[in-house]
Amino acid sequence: RKEVEQDPGPFNVPEGATVAFNCTYSNSASQSFFWYRQDCRKEPKLLMSVYSSGNEDGRFTAQLNRASQYISLLIRDSKLSDSATYLCVVPPKVNTGFQKLVFGTGTRLLVSP
Amino acid sequence: DVKVTQSSRYLVKRTGEKVFLECVQDMDHENMFWYRQDPGLGLRLIYFSYDVKMKEKGDIPEGYSVSREKKERFSLILESASTNQTSMYLCASSLGYQPQHFGDGTRLSIL
Repeated sequence: RKEVEQDPGPFNVPEGATVAFNCTYSNSASQSFFWYRQDCRKEPKLLMSVYSSGNEDGRFTAQLNRASQYISLLIRDSKLSDSATYLCVVPPKVNTGFQKLVFGTGTRLLVSP
Repeated sequence: DVKVTQSSRYLVKRTGEKVFLECVQDMDHENMFWYRQDPGLGLRLIYFSYDVKMKEKGDIPEGYSVSREKKERFSLILESASTNQTSMYLCASSLGYQPQHFGDGTRLSIL
């Protein structure tokens, strides 16, 4: 199993829709996870951190399912500005003792009018 | 706000040249990272450093070296540039186990 896997998409949704992405990971000992957002030809930017069962920030909810080893990102009431690639980020299999992360290849979201 | 600054947004070099990419962060972070990003492959770690003069190989270190003489600066060096090193290069920094912050990226073309 890959350290982290994401559906590449693209997910095409209309404005106002609710959309969810999943990300599976292989390291059962992982404690912290992150979702980053990356706009076209720009750098990744931190969207949310997930340290326990989940996290909510406005229209965005991240949930962690340790039993099945996946994290999800739910976006409610999608906006045109949500169009981007969403990267799932997990700690590596080998504990390096510091913050070396493994980035998924990303899920592309396209929100249309 | 954390500021990670990469020296160039766009760079064009020729095969065989020695190329230097510079990265500076202003938040006293001990960890610094160099990634490359290619379509369909995502972010791949080249090298990282957790302290001054300390460096560790990432997943794809071949053809690259790094230098960290000062805490705020982490340089990536392409010893002899080749066309397969054409890519987007991203520098990041972090404090302890906190999330990484990225610079704007350098689009490097090797002709």
